[in-house]
Amino acid sequence: EAQVTQNPRYLITVTGKKLTVTCSQNMNHEYMSWYRQDPGLGLRQIYYSMNVEVTDKGDVPEGYKVSRKEKRNFPLILESPSPNQTSLYFCASRGMGEQYFGPGTRLTVT
Amino acid sequence: ILNVEQSPQSLHVQEGDSTNFTCSFPSSNFYALHWYRWETAKSPEALFVMTLNGDEKKKGRISATLNTKEGYSYLYIKGSQPEDSATYLCARTKNYGGATNKLIFGTGTLLAVQP
Repeated sequence: EAQVTQNPRYLITVTGKKLTVTCSQNMNHEYMSWYRQDPGLGLRQIYYSMNVEVTDKGDVPEGYKVSRKEKRNFPLILESPSPNQTSLYFCASRGMGEQYFGPGTRLTVT
Repeated sequence: ILNVEQSPQSLHVQEGDSTNFTCSFPSSNFYALHWYRWETAKSPEALFVMTLNGDEKKKGRISATLNTKEGYSYLYIKGSQPEDSATYLCARTKNYGGATNKLIFGTGTLLAVQP
């Protein structure tokens, strides 16, 4: 089954404690992205990757890092999380057509 | 238009009504327009990807049209059912040459269909 998986699905953490949200896709897609969804602001792109070792900033990259060492994986790293990064995060991947979203990760930073 | 804008923000209809929403976007450097359906507590699900001016796509009772010259797309739902209740998102990708994966989303139209 074609899918995008994210882990963890829910995470509560404290300010400053480094965390990684993993994302994996099994469709051999080249394009992968991370988004955050906040009330009233819609989905905003954090980072995207066009292929292995090729990444670029989206609209709200501050406070985030990504890496693309393998085609299937695109982890999102928060080196020093802050409360304003409390949000719902979606990973997505796309081949030449439709974009597929992961199930989302609800992050709370206290 | 500087950003992707969707209207209306929300819509309440009765079962059986047909409805439509609008997505407006900057027409310069257009590459593609995406429509998504997003049910509460789920992930956005792709409905259509359209690239050509005049494109029309259909999936069951849902269809969409695209006008890239004037910068708008319409999504139509014929004979709305309660299971159509969701937020409908549109997103535009801009032609940056190589970097065509940067999607800019609108804030969505929330559709509620009452039985």
